[in-house]
This record gives sequence, C-alpha cells and structure tokens, in this order.
Amino acid sequence: ILNVEQSPQSLHVQEGDSTNFTCSFPSSNFYALHWYRWETAKSPEALFVMTLNGDEKKKGRISATLNTKEGYSYLYIKGSQPEDSATYLCAFVNSGNTPLVFGKGTRLSVIA
Amino acid sequence: DAGVTQSPTHLIKTRGQHVTLRCSPISGHKSVSWYQQVLGQGPQFIFQYYEKEERGRGNFPDRFSARQFPNYSSELNVNALLLGDSALYLCASSRRQGAGEKLFFGSGTQLSVL
Repeated sequence: ILNVEQSPQSLHVQEGDSTNFTCSFPSSNFYALHWYRWETAKSPEALFVMTLNGDEKKKGRISATLNTKEGYSYLYIKGSQPEDSATYLCAFVNSGNTPLVFGKGTRLSVIA
Repeated sequence: DAGVTQSPTHLIKTRGQHVTLRCSPISGHKSVSWYQQVLGQGPQFIFQYYEKEERGRGNFPDRFSARQFPNYSSELNVNALLLGDSALYLCASSRRQGAGEKLFFGSGTQLSVL
C-alpha cells in the first residue's frame, strides 16, 4: 500500500506571509507527482504535474519543487492572500497506468 | 467550455438501497475516474474508464460498479448501501489515460446513507 504523507495537516498564516508545506512519497518507482488546490464548495483544481527529479514549477505566487530520490515535494506560496485559503492535495503515481494516490491534504487559512 | 458536471449534487439514501451517480466529462476528454472522499481523508480511487473500457479499479467491494457511455459520460453505481458509503464522490476527466495527465474534477455528489 502506497503511503503519501502531507504536513502540516493545517496551517494559519497572516496575509502577506510566505508559507510552504510538504508532500512525502515512496522514493522508489516514481512516475509523477500532482498538486491540487481545493477551495471550499468548489472542485479540486490542478496546480502542477511534476515528473522529473529537480523539477521546479511556478504559477503566479505558487511554486513547487520535486526531489524523487528522497521522496518529497514542497509547495511554496509567496505573499499569501485570503483567496489562497484552501486545502492543498498532493497525489503520487508510481507508473503510467496506475491511479493517483492522494495525501490527506494541508488545509491553509490566510487571515486578513 | 463547460467543466466536469456531476449529478445529483446531494443525495440521501437508506441502508440497503441502490444509488446511481452521473458524470459528464469536459468535451474532448475520453478518460473518466471516480474517487471517494471521506472527511479527513484524501480522495480514494474507485474506477477509471478510458474509451469506454475499465482501465483501473481500486480496493472497493463488488457493490461498486461503473460504466462509460459512447459520449464518454459515466455512471457510478453502488448497491446495498452501507452507512460507511456516506462520502463525497468525485468524478474527474482527462484527455487521455495516463498518470501524467492533469485531472479536471467535478464538484462532487455528497451521498448520505441513513
């Protein structure tokens, strides 16, 4: 059974603070790592799909890094805004035709 | 373009009943996946269909079944409902099968089993 861990479970930050959280996954048989943002009462929205060790992806104030050898990915949010409040899910895949295995998510609350 | 649509949005059933959940993917998307999300947990994979064929099945009992239609829409069926089936059921579509594809999710169907 594949285990994907996300930490912290929840996080409260002030508007303007930068923050980051972690996704840990098995370091063997890596294929892809996905990040999704899930705002309350909305659908999960894809942020990044990362496949190569050392990958760095950026979308506005949000960026992510990937280390497949040690089995972790970081998601960074620069200058957090209230609209960044959401649950951030990562999902690991160990081969091209296997399903995504999701972590439990990190719930971010940005206080104005 | 319309996103992934799911119906109904909410559903209340009693134990032993049967339920059918529906999903329409984004136009041009041929892969549909179903996930179950229980409060406090990440989404758990139930099924994937691609080009109308089952391409993956998660660790769920045979009471769960699904199918994909020629227009790529999909149904998830659950028989003999148990209290533990209460959850948010998410449908996701992608252009192709393959774990490198971003998933586009619907808003989910919230199922309550009493």
